[in-house]
Order: sequence, then structure tokens, then C-alpha cells
Amino acid sequence: QSALTQPPSASGSPGQSVTISCTGTSSDVGGYNYVSWYQQHPGKAPKLMIYEVTKRPSGVPDRFSGSKSGNTASLTVSGLQAEDEADYYCSSHSSSNNLGVFGTGTKVTVL
Amino acid sequence: EVQLVESGGGLVQPGGSLRLSCAASEFTFSNFWMHWVRQAPGKGLVWVSRINGDGGDTGYADSVRGRFTISRDNGKNTLYLQMNGLRAEDTALYYCARDVSVGLGSSPHYWGQGTLVTVSS
Repeated sequence: QSALTQPPSASGSPGQSVTISCTGTSSDVGGYNYVSWYQQHPGKAPKLMIYEVTKRPSGVPDRFSGSKSGNTASLTVSGLQAEDEADYYCSSHSSSNNLGVFGTGTKVTVL
Repeated sequence: EVQLVESGGGLVQPGGSLRLSCAASEFTFSNFWMHWVRQAPGKGLVWVSRINGDGGDTGYADSVRGRFTISRDNGKNTLYLQMNGLRAEDTALYYCARDVSVGLGSSPHYWGQGTLVTVSS
């Protein structure tokens, strides 16, 4: 199965918003409401930020929000803060192998 | 607090085998889907395998199917990944993860710190 497509990089100034896209197919993103987003700082394990397209686990700030339209999901980080600088990965359940698939990853830089 | 501790990684020659373990605590292990996800040095995340609560439903990435086997021992609260026929491209940090909710199997939430597998002669 192929990785979901994300832009390699995104950036914004503190206080601004940044949106990251995640494009798949009807066999994954478009076919299920099981899109998740992860934040990963260097040398650390990934952290779940969004699941089931729009849900936030306990403790995740509401500055992080998710959405989906067709085969593309999006993560928006509002009110950017220095600690938001990290790699972000989307994921989705996939019908092709009874497993999920991750995106290619996006490095977010806070200017 | 949920704890996941991986072990069993190390240096192995191409064609060799390793068994990874993940000791889980502070939650009802048998209720949750569990996952193995790997990350090669400097690369992205790759979902390797997943298994449901009673072990009867599993999934594998195409790149490992037929070589890797996921299993669990609910009496010991431990997840396993038996890796055979290892290749250089299997070199990665292997994470164990628990799903976000009971019954779901598509959102790894709690993650261990990983165990490093290096395949090299």
C-alpha cells in the first residue's frame, strides 16, 4: 500500500495558523472516518493529536483541529506556538490490507 | 498511566530472526487493539502490524507479510513481533502502541519508546 501524500514542509509565524493536507484514495482516507494525526518531536515517540477525523484525545489543545473532504484530510494548527514545531503525520485505516497507512510526513516550522 | 516497554531489539545478520516484546501495564490489555509501527533512521512512520484484543484478527504491511508474525499473551500483558528473514531494509526503531479506544483498531494512541533493530552483516 502506498503512503498517504503530505506536503514536505509548512510554516507560519507565532499566532498564525497552518494547515497540512493529507491525500489518499477511496480505499483509505475517502472510505473511512478513521483519519488520525500525530506530532513527533526529534528523538521522541509520536503523539496522537487527532483521531476519527475530528476528535482530540484528552490533553490536546483545541488549537489543533481536523477535517476531511473526499479523499483529502486536513490538520489545522491555530495560534501557532514555538512548541508546535515538529513533524506531523496523518494516518488512515486502509481496506487493502486490514491495516492502516501513514502519510509521508510534514515538517512544520514556526518562523 | 499506560505504560508500554519494548525489548528484544539488537544487531542481526541478514536472513536472521528476532522476537520483539512489549510489556504493557496500567490498563486492561485484552480490551485493546495493539500495533507495531517502525521508523527507519531519518525516515517516516510505517505501520507494520496490528492485532485485536483476543488475537483473532491481524493485519500486516505488504513488506513484512509472510516474514513477521504478531501475537499477544493476554495472561502476561505482552505483545510480540516475531521477525524472520530479516533484511537490511527492516532496520528501524520499532514502536509498540495501544489503540485509542476499546474496540477500535485504527488509531495508535499510547506509544512505547521503541526498540532498535539493525540488520547488517
